[in-house]
Amino acid sequence: ETGVTQTPRHLVMGMTNKKSLKCEQHLGHNAMYWYKQSAKKPLELMFVYNFKEQTENNSVPSRFSPECPNSSHLFLHLHTLQPEDSALYLCASSQESEGQIYGYTFGSGTRLTVV
Amino acid sequence: QKEVEQNSGPLSVPEGAIASLNCTYSDRGSQSFFWYRQYSGKSPELIMFIYSNGDKEDGRFTAQLNKASQYVSLLIRDSQPSDSATYLCAASGGSYIPTFGRGTSLIVHP
Repeated sequence: ETGVTQTPRHLVMGMTNKKSLKCEQHLGHNAMYWYKQSAKKPLELMFVYNFKEQTENNSVPSRFSPECPNSSHLFLHLHTLQPEDSALYLCASSQESEGQIYGYTFGSGTRLTVV
Repeated sequence: QKEVEQNSGPLSVPEGAIASLNCTYSDRGSQSFFWYRQYSGKSPELIMFIYSNGDKEDGRFTAQLNKASQYVSLLIRDSQPSDSATYLCAASGGSYIPTFGRGTSLIVHP
């Protein structure tokens, strides 16, 4: 496996369900991110993990809960979501050095539909 | 509030022409600039990054940066139908986390 792998590719869940998104990066990067992409809106940063520690939580509702067990894996736990949470959820990784990055590598994304 | 502005398009160009995609940013402290290409139903892919004023060329792609005008552009020479996609501009400054624009849709017609 190379790059950034995300599973599942598609997810349909009810508002009372609990599910998790998984991301794994094989690039040796030291930072991982969750982004939300909705139609006609810029990419929205949700969470940042740098060296496994969460460094940013961009005012995301508590129904989204991240977990980063090591520098290669990142999860996004979902519970009691709302229909407006339907979107493409993208995982990304980068190598951060002295406050500089050289661009993201994105996973293929999870298309989430909340019914 | 940091903002990156892009014309949503679509920008339509004939095959073989030069496509010019533009982006402005509000944060004067921005130091690094990125262009990503996103095909419909796919995730963004980094195609260019630029840090210094002037031009940076990579194959058919040229990124241009003018920090005084807070303006970044991407030129695609000899445009091909396979270049049809949405192009995202991003800028990062003191925090290395970039701010993304909404993207410009490019259509290259045969």
